[in-house]
Formats: sequence, structure tokens, C-alpha cells
Amino acid sequence: GNSVTQMEGPVTLSEEAFLTINCTYTATGYPSLFWYVQYPGEGLQLLLKATKADDKGSNKGFEATYRKETTSFHLEKGSVQVSDSAVYFCALRDRRGGADGLTFGKGTHLIIQP
Amino acid sequence: DGGITQSPKYLFRKEGQNVTLSCEQNLNHDAMYWYRQDPGQGLRLIYYSQIVNDFQKGDIAEGYSVSREKKESFPLTVTSAQKNPTAFYLCASSQDRASNQPQHFGDGTRLSIL
Repeated sequence: GNSVTQMEGPVTLSEEAFLTINCTYTATGYPSLFWYVQYPGEGLQLLLKATKADDKGSNKGFEATYRKETTSFHLEKGSVQVSDSAVYFCALRDRRGGADGLTFGKGTHLIIQP
Repeated sequence: DGGITQSPKYLFRKEGQNVTLSCEQNLNHDAMYWYRQDPGQGLRLIYYSQIVNDFQKGDIAEGYSVSREKKESFPLTVTSAQKNPTAFYLCASSQDRASNQPQHFGDGTRLSIL
């Protein structure tokens, strides 16, 4: 079946530091990959996506590249801000893997200190 | 503005009681989903519907029921058979069944047991 593995949190960084959150996946077909962000008490917001190998998704300074050879979709940002503090979820959608719907990682809690 | 509306934001259930969580979308999306979020476990798929009058079980459907009588509405009933219902419930929708379409989420309903 499908699965997504993210690095465990919390991840604590200082403002303006470089961010990497690792994400690897297992899928039976050819998935699309997503990063979502969740702020306290809220739902999930789509941060970026990539639909095929070597695609790079980007938004608000965040980037992630779909690496089929390493089955990875690591999230990066060059200079984080306090407002980036949230929980980040890596997810995949693979219609050939059985039921529809997203398969999520467990989430990575990011804390940015001023 | 287009979006997904979940209500209520907080809900309390007594032992042996069924409760229904509302989810409405005005995005004209065909597909709708219900997820359950528990601390440290990410999101898990309960039910999904790809078209009106049709729905399918997800990974953790036991103790839950849904209906899809209208395109814009996908209510979730947490029945008394669900022995551990305390969680954060998220409703989502996507334009269609294509795997490259992202899912859009509501702000969630937090269910607690009295």
C-alpha cells in the first residue's frame, strides 16, 4: 500500500535559518505529491504540489522537488520567519493505489524562535 | 468567497449518542472526503464520495456513516458504535478524481465526549 514518512518533530530553528523537512514515500502507482500546512486550531492549507518526476513545487519561499529515484519530496526554505511556525504534512494521492483520498505523513511541528 | 464550511467548530457527545458533523462546499467540486486527525498520527481517511449518491469507505470507516444527497453537502455521523470518537475531524473536497488535483480543507470540527 501507500505510505508517507516524515521526519519527527518538533523542529526548532532560529529566525532566518535554513529549513529542510524530509519526506519519503511508497506508492504502487505514479502519485502526485503535496505539502500542506496547519496552523493551530485550523484546517489544512495547500502549500505546494508536484505531479510528476522532477517537478518543483514552490510557494511563499518554500520549495520541494519530486525525486522519483529516491522517492522523496523534501520541503526547503532558505530563510524562515516566526510566522512559519506550524505543523507541516507531506501527502500523496495515487488513484491506482486503491481508495481515493490523500495518504498523509504524521506531520512535523516547526517552531521558529525570534 | 468559495470554500468549505464545517460546523459546528466544537461538539460534545454523550455516551450512546449519535452526532452529525456538517460539511458544505461552494466550490462546485465533485469529490468530498472526511478525515480524522489524532495527535501524532496525521490524518486518516474515514469516507469519501466521488459523485452524488455514491460514497466509499476509507481506512477507518467503522462507527461512522455518511450521505451524499447533494453535490455541495457531505455530512458525517459519528455513531455510538465508534468507541473512541474524540478527535479533530476535517472535511475536504477536490475538483474531480484526477490524482493531480489538490484537496481543499475546511477548518475542522473538534469532537469531545462528555
